[in-house]
Amino acid sequence: EPEVTQTPSHQVTQMGQEVILRCVPISNHLYFYWYRQILGQKVEFLVSFYNNEISEKSEIFDDQFSVERPDGSNFTLKIRSTKLEDSAMYFCASRTGTSPINQPQHFGDGTRLSIL
Amino acid sequence: DQQVKQNSPSLSVQEGRISILNCDYTNSMFDYFLWYKKYPAEGPTFLISISSIKDKNEDGRFTVFLNKSAKHLSLHIVPSQPGDSAVYFCAASDQGGKLIFGQGTELSVKP
Repeated sequence: EPEVTQTPSHQVTQMGQEVILRCVPISNHLYFYWYRQILGQKVEFLVSFYNNEISEKSEIFDDQFSVERPDGSNFTLKIRSTKLEDSAMYFCASRTGTSPINQPQHFGDGTRLSIL
Repeated sequence: DQQVKQNSPSLSVQEGRISILNCDYTNSMFDYFLWYKKYPAEGPTFLISISSIKDKNEDGRFTVFLNKSAKHLSLHIVPSQPGDSAVYFCAASDQGGKLIFGQGTELSVKP
């Protein structure tokens, strides 16, 4: 069964450094998402991406965050200058664009980001 | 943000019995509801979903019930198996957009 893959599984970075989290969504999917889960808290929406542009973003997704689909397969989340509070599990998700509009999002296994 | 709430952080059930996980929501614009299962060190795995035009959806041992007037949904697992032990998340969305998650319920199925 096709799956969403994320790399790396664990990223350790010094505060203030840039980090790029990578995702390969399911190949025929058209909608892409990033979520994060801080330890002990809910899974929170960060951003959604469709047709090569951001379709929605949360208040968490400030100017330090950006997303990109650099080619036909990868979907990346960049944090420009990491802060301690960015430490979390980051999940990528994708869903098909076929009708009906309500289709489930499928998640990768996440990247654990640890900021020192 | 308390739009989706799972009030039970944990549930313990005997193997073979029914597991019932509950979820409440406040936003009447939600039109699609999902249940995900999550093991440690893995991402959420889609389990079952229901559109707001239905009140029940069944897939094998898993059934989701939706009560729109009460803004409540539940997931029934019957019979429960030890392999069902995991954290279960309820999620909701409107018009196919972002998912809003509950806090999760940790289900333990004892042999």
